[in-house]
Amino acid sequence: AQSVTQLGSHVSVSEGALVLLRCNYSSSVPPYLFWYVQYPNQGLQLLLKYTSAATLVKGINGFEAEFKKSETSFHLTKPSAHMSDAAEYFCAVSDRDSGNTPLVFGKGTRLSVIA
Amino acid sequence: DTAVSQTPKYLVTQMGNDKSIKCEQNLGHDTMYWYKQDSKKFLKIMFSYNNKELIINETVPNRFSPKSPDKAHLNLHINSLELGDSAVYFCASSQDLIRGNTGELFFGEGSRLTVL
Repeated sequence: AQSVTQLGSHVSVSEGALVLLRCNYSSSVPPYLFWYVQYPNQGLQLLLKYTSAATLVKGINGFEAEFKKSETSFHLTKPSAHMSDAAEYFCAVSDRDSGNTPLVFGKGTRLSVIA
Repeated sequence: DTAVSQTPKYLVTQMGNDKSIKCEQNLGHDTMYWYKQDSKKFLKIMFSYNNKELIINETVPNRFSPKSPDKAHLNLHINSLELGDSAVYFCASSQDLIRGNTGELFFGEGSRLTVL
C-alpha cells in the first residue's frame, strides 16, 4: 500500500526566503503525487500534481515540485516566501492501478512566514 | 457555483445528540468521500461511495452512517455523539482511477463539529 511521509510538522521561514517542504512516498507502482494547501478555516486546495508527464511540476502561487524516482521524493519549493503562504501543506499519493482507492495523505507541514 | 458544498459549516451540540452533515458536488464526479481531520490536522478517510455504492468503510464506529441518495450527494449522519467526535469533517469528490483519471480530490470547505 502506498504512503507518504512529510518531514517536519512545522517549518518557519523569513519572508523572501526559500520555502522547502519535504515529502517522500512509498508505492509499489509509479504513483500520482499531489500537494494540497489548507488555509486557516478552509478546505484543501490543489497546489500541483505529478502525473508522469514531466518530473518538474509547476503549480499555483509560484510553487513547484520535482519528482525524483531514485529518491522517492516529491519536495515542494518556492523561491521567495510571502506572508500569504502561511498555511498547512499536505502531500498525497494515489496508486494509478488502485481503482477507487482514495488519496493517502501525509500528516501535513505547517508553514509559518516571519516578517 | 461552489463545486463541492457541505452544510452546515459549524455545528455545536451536546453529547448524546444525533446530527447530520450534507454534501453536494456539481462536478459530475462518480466518487465521493468523507474525511475526518483531527485537532493535529491529520486527514483520515472514513467512507467512499462510487455511484451511490459504498466502496470504502474504514474502521469507523457504526454510530457514523453515510448515505448517498444519488451520485451528486453524500450525507453523513452521526448518532449518540461523543466528545471524541469533535473534528472537522471534509467531503470530497473525484473521478475514479478506472477511467484513467488521477484521482485528484476536490474538497468542500469542511464542517467543524464541536461536541460539548
